[in-house]
Amino acid sequence: QSALTQPASVSESPGQSITISCTGTSSDVGTYNLVSWYQQHPGKVPKLMISEVSNRPSGVPDRFSGSKSGNTASLTISGLQAEDEADYYCSSYTTSSTVIFGGGTKLTVL
Amino acid sequence: EVQLLESGGDLVQPGGSLRLSCAASGFAFTSYAMSWVRQAPGKGLEWVSAISGSGNSPYYANSVKGRFTISRDNSKNTVYLQMNSLRAEDTAVYYCAKDRVRIDCWGQGTLVTVSS
Repeated sequence: QSALTQPASVSESPGQSITISCTGTSSDVGTYNLVSWYQQHPGKVPKLMISEVSNRPSGVPDRFSGSKSGNTASLTISGLQAEDEADYYCSSYTTSSTVIFGGGTKLTVL
Repeated sequence: EVQLLESGGDLVQPGGSLRLSCAASGFAFTSYAMSWVRQAPGKGLEWVSAISGSGNSPYYANSVKGRFTISRDNSKNTVYLQMNSLRAEDTAVYYCAKDRVRIDCWGQGTLVTVSS
């Protein structure tokens, strides 16, 4: 099964908003509201930022939000800060009872 | 405090075998599925395998099916990944992770290098 499709890189200025897309198929994103988003800084362990499409775990700033439409999920970060610069990965549960990750998006805060 | 501590990573020749272990603490171990996720050097995350809380239901990525076996010992709060017929493309940091679709705790990772 191919990885979920994410843009390889995105960039925006501090204080602005940005949206990262995650496109799957009817076998994963389109069928289940079990999409998660992870943030990974260089050399660090991934951190859960969003679960079940739009749920924000305790401690995650409300600048981070998630949504889904059809086979595409999205992560939106508003009021960008320098510390948001990192790699972001989406994941989804699949009809095969497995999990699939996206290829990752490198966010640069200019 | 929830903790996951992996061990077992090493340098192994192509075709060889290795067993990874992950000791968990700080949560109700049997209430959660456990996963292994890997990351090749400079690459993205790849889900490898997961096992239900009871240990009765294992799940595998196509890339490792038939070569890797996941198991858990709930009396020891430990999950294992037996890796056979290793290939160069299996070289990665292997993370142990709590849960399957909502991973809110990751281990620090253990490096597996497959090379002659």
